[in-house]
Amino acid sequence: NAGVMQNPRHLVRRRGQEARLRCSPMKGHSHVYWYRQLPEEGLKFMVYLQKENIIDESGMPKERFSAEFPKEGPSILRIQQVVRGDSAAYFCASSVGQGQTYEQYFGPGTRLTVT
Amino acid sequence: LAKTTQPISMDSYEGQEVNITCSHNNIATNDYITWYQQFPSQGPRFIIQGYKTKVTNEVASLFIPADRKSSTLSLPRVSLSDTAVYYCLVGHFSGNTPLVFGKGTRLSVIA
Repeated sequence: NAGVMQNPRHLVRRRGQEARLRCSPMKGHSHVYWYRQLPEEGLKFMVYLQKENIIDESGMPKERFSAEFPKEGPSILRIQQVVRGDSAAYFCASSVGQGQTYEQYFGPGTRLTVT
Repeated sequence: LAKTTQPISMDSYEGQEVNITCSHNNIATNDYITWYQQFPSQGPRFIIQGYKTKVTNEVASLFIPADRKSSTLSLPRVSLSDTAVYYCLVGHFSGNTPLVFGKGTRLSVIA
């Protein structure tokens, strides 16, 4: 049973370009979370999605950031017109949507570098 | 959510027992204490969770005093591969609520 998969693992974008980060949850998981981690910091929650629904986006910046989790395919975190401050590691976690905390599983992350 | 305080960093030699303490003075009655481990360039991984007294699994032990205002993660006989950042999370988290991470404790194990 494959774990949470994220791609690409590393992404370099110039200022003003778009970044698309993908997350495939574990098999059987229908809940996805996106977190952002700046250097030397802990992870910060961004958005929580179920299939075709955004449940909680309280941690998402109001502009340039969007997320989706379609009925088919991976969840996508999209950052438009990237700026240097968007450089960070972006982690996705998935769960079945109930049960204990330890049933959230994290992917390896995507490291975004904005030049 | 209860605020947590833990040391920024710790060093240890291989084979020693490491104890990382987390303070959470305003922990709520229904809050659990959960520890995650994060290796460099990887996502966090659940280690252990407890509510009171002592919990032990194959990786670590978690000691929680009666007042629950602090907790101690104990790693027995650490090896170089235990070098990681350890996060203490306090809250009523579940499989469908976002996790709240602090800055964690960076443990460096030295040969």
